[in-house]
Amino acid sequence: DVKVTQSSRYLVKRTGEKVFLECVQDMDHENMFWYRQDPGLGLRLIYFSYDVKMKEKGDIPEGYSVSREKKERFSLILESASTNQTSMYLCASNPLRRRGGELFFGEGSRLTVL
Amino acid sequence: SQQGEEDPQALSIQEGENATMNCSYKTSINNLQWYRQNSGRGLVHLILIRSNEREKHSGRLRVTLDTSKKSSSLLITASRAADTASYFCATGNNAGNMLTFGGGTRLMVKP
Repeated sequence: DVKVTQSSRYLVKRTGEKVFLECVQDMDHENMFWYRQDPGLGLRLIYFSYDVKMKEKGDIPEGYSVSREKKERFSLILESASTNQTSMYLCASNPLRRRGGELFFGEGSRLTVL
Repeated sequence: SQQGEEDPQALSIQEGENATMNCSYKTSINNLQWYRQNSGRGLVHLILIRSNEREKHSGRLRVTLDTSKKSSSLLITASRAADTASYFCATGNNAGNMLTFGGGTRLMVKP
């Protein structure tokens, strides 16, 4: 089975802190995605990557950056956390040959910024 | 931008009844997918229907797609309490790059 692992299920940070959300997948998938989920707004794409060191902006990249140094790992970085970044963050992956196809999700990281 | 819009936003039914959720979208798609999310967890893929397909089944799930109306429906037959979850539709575009998700339908199945 495909496994997408997000390092932290729950985090509490203070405004202005730098936050790292880590995601690792074990199926050699080329594509990796970071979504943000808020009540009533569904999932919104922050960034995605289709290869090592490659990244593309999604719908809401402001206030976020990403890093993909290794194929299996995709990190989401909040350079200076703000309260409006309190949310559930979901990482997902799929193989390059199935772009636009089924996504495999991690369990999510619920971030609270105080 | 939110491509898919689910309807209703919330649905409460008794165990054994059928549950129907609808999804409407705005632009041309390559495929439409349905996902399930248990409270506080990640999303799990349920079913994918391609733009040239009209109906697809998987166990107790039946998905229909009407590209002329830009809409899809997910039917869960003989619902169980364990079906209680949020259900999301997601559309894949013709460029094949990414999925766009709707706001979801919260389904509660009462035992």
